[in-house]
Amino acid sequence: QKEVEQNSGPLSVPEGAIASLNCTYSDRGSQSFFWYRQYSGKSPELIMFIYSNGDKEDGRFTAQLNKASQYVSLLIRDSQPSDSATYLCAVKAEAGTALIFGKGTTLSVSS
Amino acid sequence: GAVVSQHPSWVICKSGTSVKIECRSLDFQATTMFWYRQFPKQSLMLMATSNEGSKATYEQGVEKDKFLINHASLTLSTLTVTSAHPEDSSFYICSVRTGGDSGYTFGSGTRLTVV
Repeated sequence: QKEVEQNSGPLSVPEGAIASLNCTYSDRGSQSFFWYRQYSGKSPELIMFIYSNGDKEDGRFTAQLNKASQYVSLLIRDSQPSDSATYLCAVKAEAGTALIFGKGTTLSVSS
Repeated sequence: GAVVSQHPSWVICKSGTSVKIECRSLDFQATTMFWYRQFPKQSLMLMATSNEGSKATYEQGVEKDKFLINHASLTLSTLTVTSAHPEDSSFYICSVRTGGDSGYTFGSGTRLTVV
């Protein structure tokens, strides 16, 4: 059973702070890792993907991957109230297969 | 990126009736589409993988006779919820694999309410 685990939160941070979101996965064969943001009642929108160990930065977002620990994280710098949403971690195990999602972490950024 | 249109965006139906949800890939020939279901405050759960011209592959626990998937063309996959019951009320989302590591595009989702 391939599993993706996330702390459901809520994670509350003040505006301007760094939000840190974490995810672990069970399948060591997993190849690619994705972070999606989902607003209530909407479909997920891609924030970032990463497939190599280390960090990947895109604007205020940094994804970190550690395959040995089966751990992936997302850092959001200078958090804004508009970042308040549920963040879904997703994993692709093999080429061509569907994404497997975690339950998501709800982030609340207060102004 | 690819554009995926999902219709309807919301639907209310009576218990025992059937509902069809369409997922269209507007600018990409999608040989593979995925159907997910999301209950309130839960994650997206993969229901099935839809392959153009062949039978869909269903995940364990998903009734293939209740959730009929048809992927007759490279641009259209449909999910029909047959004999719907209130417990089928959920948010249904399709996804198209468009290639590459980042190549998953999601439809806008369909909110199904069975009364």
